[in-house]
Amino acid sequence: AQSVSQHNHHVILSEAASLELGCNYSYGGTVNLFWYVQYPGQHLQLLLKYFSGDPLVKGIKGFEAEFIKSKFSFNLRKPSVQWSDTAEYFCAVNEKIKAAGNKLTFGGGTRVLVKP
Amino acid sequence: DTEVTQTPKHLVMGMTNKKSLKCEQHMGHRAMYWYKQKAKKPPELMFVYSYEKLSINESVPSRFSPECPNSSLLNLHLHALQPEDSALYLCASSQELAPDTQYFGPGTRLTVL
Repeated sequence: AQSVSQHNHHVILSEAASLELGCNYSYGGTVNLFWYVQYPGQHLQLLLKYFSGDPLVKGIKGFEAEFIKSKFSFNLRKPSVQWSDTAEYFCAVNEKIKAAGNKLTFGGGTRVLVKP
Repeated sequence: DTEVTQTPKHLVMGMTNKKSLKCEQHMGHRAMYWYKQKAKKPPELMFVYSYEKLSINESVPSRFSPECPNSSLLNLHLHALQPEDSALYLCASSQELAPDTQYFGPGTRLTVL
């Protein structure tokens, strides 16, 4: 079974600071990787995804992530955060189950609080 | 449009009640999912429907009964739940491709008394 770990449970930072959230996964085969964000009181939204190609992927709201295969990592970054980035961030890995569908496994999540 | 809708938004039920959660998507997606999310925890997969057939059941207790009447609708029937089943229940859908992307609904906040 796949597992996903996010190193930081809580991150507190000030506006304009840079953000980096770590994510490591266990699966050694072909992986599809995602970052989802859950703003307070809102549903899970897709920030960005990596399927193949350029390991540096850009998402919405100025976020980007880098896939490093040798490190089994998919870290999320934003150069300058805003108060509105306060949310919970989930890294996830997708596994295609033959003839059964797709299974998404989430990391434990990182709560980010941006102080104005 | 990547909208998945869920009703109701909130549900309070007793342990002897029978209720249903509903999920709908009109994106032509062929896979639909139920997840359970406890407070301050990540979503956990419960069921996967692929082309209207149940393809994955993550050992969910039988008091949760999923149903997929057609490719746009997904129901979760609840009966004899326990207080520990209180959680946010999320529905998601995807095109059923390889690779694939799941889009989530806003969830139903369930409280079992």
